Amino acid sequence: RKEVEQDPGPFNVPEGATVAFNCTYSNSASQSFFWYRQDCRKEPKLLMSVYSSGNEDGRFTAQLNRASQYISLLIRDSKLSDSATYLCVVKHYKLSFGAGTTVTVRA
Amino acid sequence: SAVISQKPSRDICQRGTSLTIQCQVDSQVTMMFWYRQQPGQSLTLIATANQGSEATYESGFVIDKFPISRPNLTFSTLTVSNMSPEDSSIYLCSVDLNTEAFFGQGTRLTVV
Repeated sequence: RKEVEQDPGPFNVPEGATVAFNCTYSNSASQSFFWYRQDCRKEPKLLMSVYSSGNEDGRFTAQLNRASQYISLLIRDSKLSDSATYLCVVKHYKLSFGAGTTVTVRA
Repeated sequence: SAVISQKPSRDICQRGTSLTIQCQVDSQVTMMFWYRQQPGQSLTLIATANQGSEATYESGFVIDKFPISRPNLTFSTLTVSNMSPEDSSIYLCSVDLNTEAFFGQGTRLTVV
């Protein structure tokens, strides 16, 4: 079983739509959780950390459910510039990456 | 934040040859990480480069194939040795600062 599993998508949504997707992780001892964004042919960059209480950063909302071992990301009012691959990242001494969820926002 | 300069950005290499990838960080860091990202797949940690000691390799990766140097706290190299087409991938170096991971721009390697 992979350490971090994500729905690969692609999620193809119109501008202004809301899109949400999850990832699951296998190690219950994982300590930290993140969403990274990776644009085509670019390196990953931190989008946001994920906290147990849930957290928002502008149009982005992240949730963590430790009991079920999943993390979610919701993007409201999608912009064309949100088109990217979103990587779910879990840390237990080292980082484990999901394969990414591809989101395409169309005009 | 950290700025990482990685080079080369891409290369096409003949099988059986070796390629050395360099990463320079703009601040001193204890550990540097080397990842591989194959098309459509997640980043896989190859090894952790520690200054002043041998690199720590993950399961499935060995020093003879991926020798690493870490001469100081701002620089590291990864060599992909005796390359085969299966080594075609993107290689990324990374550092952790204040729980955030920063990455180099990646080296896109094609072995023919």
